[in-house]
Amino acid sequence: SQQGEEDPQALSIQEGENATMNCSYKTSINNLQWYRQNSGRGLVHLILIRSNEREKHSGRLRVTLDTSKKSSSLLITASRAADTASYFCATAPHSNYQLIWGAGTKLIIKP
Amino acid sequence: NAGVTQTPKFQVLKTGQSMTLQCAQDMNHEYMSWYRQDPGMGLRLIHYSVGAGITDQGEVPNGYNVSRSTTEDFPLRLLSAAPSQTSVYFCASSNQQGAMDIQYFGAGTRLSVL
Repeated sequence: SQQGEEDPQALSIQEGENATMNCSYKTSINNLQWYRQNSGRGLVHLILIRSNEREKHSGRLRVTLDTSKKSSSLLITASRAADTASYFCATAPHSNYQLIWGAGTKLIIKP
Repeated sequence: NAGVTQTPKFQVLKTGQSMTLQCAQDMNHEYMSWYRQDPGMGLRLIHYSVGAGITDQGEVPNGYNVSRSTTEDFPLRLLSAAPSQTSVYFCASSNQQGAMDIQYFGAGTRLSVL
């Protein structure tokens, strides 16, 4: 069962622009995590945000969490060609210890 | 530092064949898991382990077996391959149980069952 749903499913922008992806979920969570997957590769962890946190930064990445709306957003500023990848959110529900994954947003950065 | 290593990278099986996907990690993580990734879907948990000798089923365990005899290794066995098991398989490990910590992934095994 998928709890996290990313939006949009696909996003194509020019290099240098900002990219925003959203994740919505259904049940209360302990944390929410964002991962990146380059084509044909494994997933790489980007940011973990806990339920009592509202915003976290890592380099050009900014993640926000709104638990009242059960949603999160991932902002990539000043995008680069190397940011072309699929981005997944995963939620850690209170009810168990297993991550539940969304279907991902495919981001294409055009040079 | 190797992290999580999966072998093989690619495999083609015929229906009914069995095989083992290997996963090894060198980070001394207690928690390991197997996922499958199908087009247009998120990762789905097959089996997981919270430590040597302890395994449990995930969301889609049917047709797969696991064992955990050491902290480092967590092989996934396909008992009798079916076309529905065509997928990309990922092994992951983490320092804490399941969802409470970041996951480290292997590069994946791309499996085709004909």
